[in-house]
Amino acid sequence: QKEVEQNSGPLSVPEGAIASLNCTYSDRGSQSFFWYRQYSGKSPELIMFIYSNGDKEDGRFTAQLNKASQYVSLLIRDSQPSDSATYLCAVNLHAGGTSYGKLTFGQGTILTVHP
Amino acid sequence: KAGVTQTPRYLIKTRGQQVTLSCSPISGHRSVSWYQQTPGQGLQFLFEYFSETQRNKGNFPGRFSGRQFSNSRSEMNVSTLELGDSALYLCASSLGGSASGANVLTFGAGSRLTVL
Repeated sequence: QKEVEQNSGPLSVPEGAIASLNCTYSDRGSQSFFWYRQYSGKSPELIMFIYSNGDKEDGRFTAQLNKASQYVSLLIRDSQPSDSATYLCAVNLHAGGTSYGKLTFGQGTILTVHP
Repeated sequence: KAGVTQTPRYLIKTRGQQVTLSCSPISGHRSVSWYQQTPGQGLQFLFEYFSETQRNKGNFPGRFSGRQFSNSRSEMNVSTLELGDSALYLCASSLGGSASGANVLTFGAGSRLTVL
């Protein structure tokens, strides 16, 4: 079992729809969860992070965390063609000394938003 | 506020050579992490430095090394290059403390290494 797994893509949605991206992680002790977006040929850029169970909203983006189910998701409302990119889920798998600077990334989900 | 700066952006080396990559973190960020990104393996953690000390290390051979200077700038070195070292090398910085959000990584544009 991979430490961080994302739903297989690619995912294609029409403009204006909701895109749902999912991620599961293996380590129940994980504390911090991140979503990054990576455009082709570019470096990852942070969309948002979440530490506590529940939802966290930032504009059109909502991150949802369920630690009991070891599951984190990202919803993109009113999807735009400019949202087309690879979305990376990343988890800081352990709290404390072994986790410094280390995020474990999923393989990424390619999202295409078509007009 | 300037972002994370990596140099060089692109470089081509031959097998057996060595390479040094440089990273300047965001001002005020004391932690610098390095990652390797390849199409097959995705993003993999190399190591992390804080206050000139390596605090964490990934599962890479000893040919991969790094260091951090007193101004938080960091370098990574790969010796005896192999074809499989061809990758995008990403540097990321963070505050590095224990406060909420201190472990949020901001990535640089990366250094794309091609080994022939």
